[in-house]
Amino acid sequence: DIQMTQSPSSLSASVGDRVTITCRASQSISSYLNWYQQKPGKAPKLLIYAASSLQSGVPSRFSGSGSGTDFTLTISSLQPEDFATYYCQQSYSTAFTFGPGTKVDIK
Amino acid sequence: QVQLQESGPGLVKPSQTLSLTCTVSGGSISSGGYYWSWIRQHPGKGLEWIGYIYYSGSTYYNPSLKSRVTISVDTSKNQFSLKLSSVTAADTAVYYCARVLAAAGTRWFDPWGQGTLVTVSS
Repeated sequence: DIQMTQSPSSLSASVGDRVTITCRASQSISSYLNWYQQKPGKAPKLLIYAASSLQSGVPSRFSGSGSGTDFTLTISSLQPEDFATYYCQQSYSTAFTFGPGTKVDIK
Repeated sequence: QVQLQESGPGLVKPSQTLSLTCTVSGGSISSGGYYWSWIRQHPGKGLEWIGYIYYSGSTYYNPSLKSRVTISVDTSKNQFSLKLSSVTAADTAVYYCARVLAAAGTRWFDPWGQGTLVTVSS
């Protein structure tokens, strides 16, 4: 299995802050990396697919970058509705795997 | 707009088989082009992919669960289903169904159902 790690596991930030979350794969996964946002009691929501493609309807303050083993999700100016847990997911191997998540909460 | 809805028992006894169904609306499973997947989330934990199916019946399972998982599709009802056998307390989780999209070699889940909590307990 391809193992996914995320850092940090949690962070506290203020509205308007620039936030960066890192996802690392245990082997190269090209650009086969997606990002999801999950709020408490809700299903995950797709934000970014193929490492850097913004899903339709997702605000442009979200962006993704990276390839190979290292990827980042950036929120350029954190909004109140962005406080949530963020997960990365690889689809390079048929056995899809997710990162452990990064919880973003209010400072 | 495609929507997915999970249904099934919320309580299953240990050693029994967990059975869930996902009903797809706003689109046809048999139109092709998509896979249909199950994913679970243990309480307070991360996400675990269980497997997915194509409308033709082709399936792919998580190797860690493969011996206990069966995913099937009923195109006449626009539904796909999950069976997980020999369950234990470790299978207690929120179970989600989701559509799998693909482009440029990568695949992602969108949209997701709202999820259903299944508790394994006697």
